[in-house]
Amino acid sequence: ETGVTQSPTHLIKTRGQQVTLRCSSQSGHNTVSWYQQALGQGPQFIFQYYREEENGRGNFPPRFSGLQFPNYSSELNVNALELDDSALYLCASSSASGSWDTQYFGPGTRLTVL
Amino acid sequence: KQEVTQIPAALSVPEGENLVLNCSFTDSAIYNLQWFRQDPGKGLTSLLLIQSSQREQTSGRLNASLDKSSGRSTLYIAASQPGDSATYLCAVGTTDSWGKLQFGAGTQVVVTP
Repeated sequence: ETGVTQSPTHLIKTRGQQVTLRCSSQSGHNTVSWYQQALGQGPQFIFQYYREEENGRGNFPPRFSGLQFPNYSSELNVNALELDDSALYLCASSSASGSWDTQYFGPGTRLTVL
Repeated sequence: KQEVTQIPAALSVPEGENLVLNCSFTDSAIYNLQWFRQDPGKGLTSLLLIQSSQREQTSGRLNASLDKSSGRSTLYIAASQPGDSATYLCAVGTTDSWGKLQFGAGTQVVVTP
């Protein structure tokens, strides 16, 4: 039990819609990262937030955006959904900025875009 | 650009046999390397974290080694059990972007009773 929770568990949307995914980090963790995992592949880094500021971004377009709140919760927003956005979305929290600390992952949100 | 490869993609062993999982990476400038377990449709469970200055880490039946110069890490699981069946992923913490983990595609392991 890592203490990282995500909601919803599953979500079905249609192409062109917008979606918000939520993550509650482990208490005391000031860093949250989001990853996209397509079927049969390893997770791909989307971005990281540290103390409510974006601290690094992977190769994802601007329609992927995020927010981090003071209460250790965060959101991933995706606009203008495309079929290829169908994936498992994972958030991970850690207690420091940077990848030298263990990252603890939530159970993920399975997004299906029709 | 850092690339992480895991071979084989799938592995099946009888219960009791030792498991050896391989991970290779192209750029030796890493912060650390982390091994994860993923059950079908689930999130990731951290197994072991090896800092770049370390050679190995151990936890119970698990032992992970790191050789930065050759760009390799190996995860050993002793005396495998059916409950060890899962996908195992390695991830490299890179120096070019804080917090970014670069993952391999994973090795799917089946331990048969």
